[in-house]
Amino acid sequence: GDSVTQMEGPVTLSEEAFLTINCTYTATGYPSLFWYVQYPGEGLQLLLKATKADDKGSNKGFEATYRKETTSFHLEKGSVQVSDSAVYFCALSAPVDSSYKLIFGSGTRLLVRP
Amino acid sequence: DADVTQTPRNRITKTGKRIMLECSQTKGHDRMYWYRQDPGLGLRLIYYSFDVKDINKGEISDGYSVSRQAQAKFSLSLESAIPNQTALYFCATSGTGTSSYNEQFFGPGTRLTVL
Repeated sequence: GDSVTQMEGPVTLSEEAFLTINCTYTATGYPSLFWYVQYPGEGLQLLLKATKADDKGSNKGFEATYRKETTSFHLEKGSVQVSDSAVYFCALSAPVDSSYKLIFGSGTRLLVRP
Repeated sequence: DADVTQTPRNRITKTGKRIMLECSQTKGHDRMYWYRQDPGLGLRLIYYSFDVKDINKGEISDGYSVSRQAQAKFSLSLESAIPNQTALYFCATSGTGTSSYNEQFFGPGTRLTVL
């Protein structure tokens, strides 16, 4: 079945460091791909998305490119801030699934130190 | 005001008790979902609904039931709570427009502890 695999955390970085969180997926057809962020004590917020191959989603300095050939959607940011500390979830929505549900990775906790 | 609200935010209960978690939304969305989050497992789908007459089981529906009282309200019930239902529960909604049909909006979550 469809699945999403994320790198294990926690990821600990110093402020202004470069961030990469790896995400790969297995799906039938051409899924839509998402990154959600969960700040402490809050629900999930959509960070960015891409709906077709080679699309680049971007928001708040974060970027991710839909790579069909490597079935990946890695999240990157050039210079992280303390306020980026959160849990990041990669997710997909499979077009053949009539429920339109999201399938999530296990999440990656990011801790940014001053 | 938040678009998707959940009540209660925290609940501690005992094994065997009946519990209801409520979700309301003001986004005007037709689709509503209940997920549970467990450490290291991400979010898993419990139930989903496309309108008040359309309720569907997700991947982990055993031990749960739902009620869609109105377009804006979707409740999750644990008929007889057990400790392995201790988790963080999220409600989510999505619309049916072609540009956002698979983008979901989440409530703040309910942390449930079953002793």
